[in-house]
Formats: sequence, structure tokens, C-alpha cells
Amino acid sequence: DTEVTQTPKHLVMGMTNKKSLKCEQHMGHRAMYWYKQKAKKPPELMFVYSYEKLSINESVPSRFSPECPNSSLLNLHLHALQPEDSALYLCASSQDLRGNTIYFGEGSWLTVV
Amino acid sequence: QQQVKQSPQSLIVQKGGISIINCAYENTAFDYFPWYQQFPGKGPALLIAIRPDVSEKKEGRFTISFNKSAKQFSLHIMDSQPGDSATYFCAASRNNFNKFYFGSGTKLNVKP
Repeated sequence: DTEVTQTPKHLVMGMTNKKSLKCEQHMGHRAMYWYKQKAKKPPELMFVYSYEKLSINESVPSRFSPECPNSSLLNLHLHALQPEDSALYLCASSQDLRGNTIYFGEGSWLTVV
Repeated sequence: QQQVKQSPQSLIVQKGGISIINCAYENTAFDYFPWYQQFPGKGPALLIAIRPDVSEKKEGRFTISFNKSAKQFSLHIMDSQPGDSATYFCAASRNNFNKFYFGSGTKLNVKP
């Protein structure tokens, strides 16, 4: 079983809603990631946090807003999304950014209606 | 531009057979090549990984073969089982940094 926990597992939201995805890990990892995965496609990197600071933003639209409250938690705030944002959102963590294994959570399935 | 090219897109193998998935890359700066296994409704999980200083790595029924000169690497699943049916992604990263470039994925179906 994965040690990266994501909630909720499923989320349906309207285009005017504000919602958040949450991720938690207790492995003592200092790097955390958000990926987006569309059906039958590989994961696409969105954001990377290292030691609670945003390290990489892959030119993600501002309607996605990440937050890292502490070393164990990672949030993704969602606002004014579009139907094409519907996807599986994966959180991942690794010991740090230096060539370590990354561990994925099971993901949050997001549907924007 | 796709940094890592993966083939085939789908693969059907009989139980007990050998499954082979291939990946190719262009960037010679890549120095870490993992394979991820993803079951439906689950996140990807690391299966096996290799660095360019070795040509082969084996873990149980799973083997990575790496050809540095050809810039290719492949996953071999020996004695394939129905429980191996999943989507497999190859990936590459460089400079010892955890930004991964994923292949497009291969959906493996092992028939009983």
C-alpha cells in the first residue's frame, strides 16, 4: 500500500466552485510533487516542492494553486476550472530532489462539470 | 518534443510468455531510467530502475536491458502472469534530479 495518502479519491465540481485536493506523507520526505494524468497518457508534472518551497512550476494555469503547509502536507487549490481539467491528479514524494525514488499516491479523480 | 519514446502502445502476451517493452531517448544527459507499473485506478509504482553504468539489471522476473550507445532501454517480464496486466511507463531523468520525462505508456494484457 502506498504511503502517500490523497483525499478525496473522487471530486466533482462546477466551473465556479472552489475546492482543494490534499496529500499527506509520513515518510520524512522533503520533496513533494503534483502530477496530472489524463486517460491513457503518462503523468505530467505540474509542481514540485522542496523543503516546503516551490521549486518547479511547469507553467500551470493560475486556476491551480499549490500550497505546502509543512513537510508532510501538500494541497492543490482549485478555482474556476474548465472541463478539460478533468483528470487524475497524483501526488508524489521523494526523500529529496536528488535522484531518489518517487512514491505516488493513488490519486484524486477530478471531474469538472 | 517527446524526450522518451516508448513502444509498443499495447501488448498481448500469453501466460508464461515474455513481455518486452522498448524505450528510446535522445538526451545523452539522462542518467536514471526507471520503469513504473500502473494498475487501473491506482497511482504508478516504481518497478525497477537502472543507471547507465550497467547494461542489465534484474529483479525477480523483471529485467532492464540498457544499451547506452543506441540510447535504448527495455523492460523484459519473464514468465508473464495475468497479474502483470497493467500499464507500464518508462522514464528518464538527468543530473541526478527528480524531474522525470515519461514515455507514452504500454498497456500489457497477459492472457491466462
